[in-house]
Amino acid sequence: NAGVTQTPKFRILKIGQSMTLQCAQDMNHNYMYWYRQDPGMGLKLIYYSVGAGITDKGEVPNGYNVSRSTTEDFPLRLELAAPSQTSVYFCASSYSPVYEQYFGPGTRLTVT
Amino acid sequence: GENVEQHPSTLSVQEGDSAVIKCTYSDSASNYFPWYKQELGKGPQLIIDIRSNVGEKKDQRIAVTLNKTAKHFSLHITETQPEDSAVYFCAASGDQGGKLIFGQGTELSVKP
Repeated sequence: NAGVTQTPKFRILKIGQSMTLQCAQDMNHNYMYWYRQDPGMGLKLIYYSVGAGITDKGEVPNGYNVSRSTTEDFPLRLELAAPSQTSVYFCASSYSPVYEQYFGPGTRLTVT
Repeated sequence: GENVEQHPSTLSVQEGDSAVIKCTYSDSASNYFPWYKQELGKGPQLIIDIRSNVGEKKDQRIAVTLNKTAKHFSLHITETQPEDSAVYFCAASGDQGGKLIFGQGTELSVKP
């Protein structure tokens, strides 16, 4: 099992550019999540999904978009990147809402 | 919505001493309280969790206590070792959608 994988590991974007952060899991989890982590801060939930075709907003969804067409994949789309989106992004998955969330290794994004 | 406060933000102990990290939460409906450890450059990893029907849970050198009346829970690490040095996050969830709300994190440093 690879667990939760994320690509890319690092990315530098110019203001106004767009990109997609990829996330995949091979544990057949229905629940998947996207978080951002700013320096010295906890994790903030951006979007989450309870199954293929179902997504919902978290605490900080503005400037992001998601889709979930398969159980395995949960990509995060950034449109019109802004410096405020400079952060480390983590994807996670879980079997159930109140069980362990498995995190990927993260994507470090810088917007300049 | 749920709010989780975590203290202290940094904690330095000598090897072999105990470390205690405390969290308070605001939503009395929260029923799941995990603790995650994040090592430098990695995603968070679950170390222990507790549910609202249990007051205390122990796993070797790690224990968590929950006081539902006061809405606070704590992580206790005994006989600390240098490899315990990391950032620790508490979280709370009561939402059926599985939305975890994280505390701000505690950077634990164990000095040999």
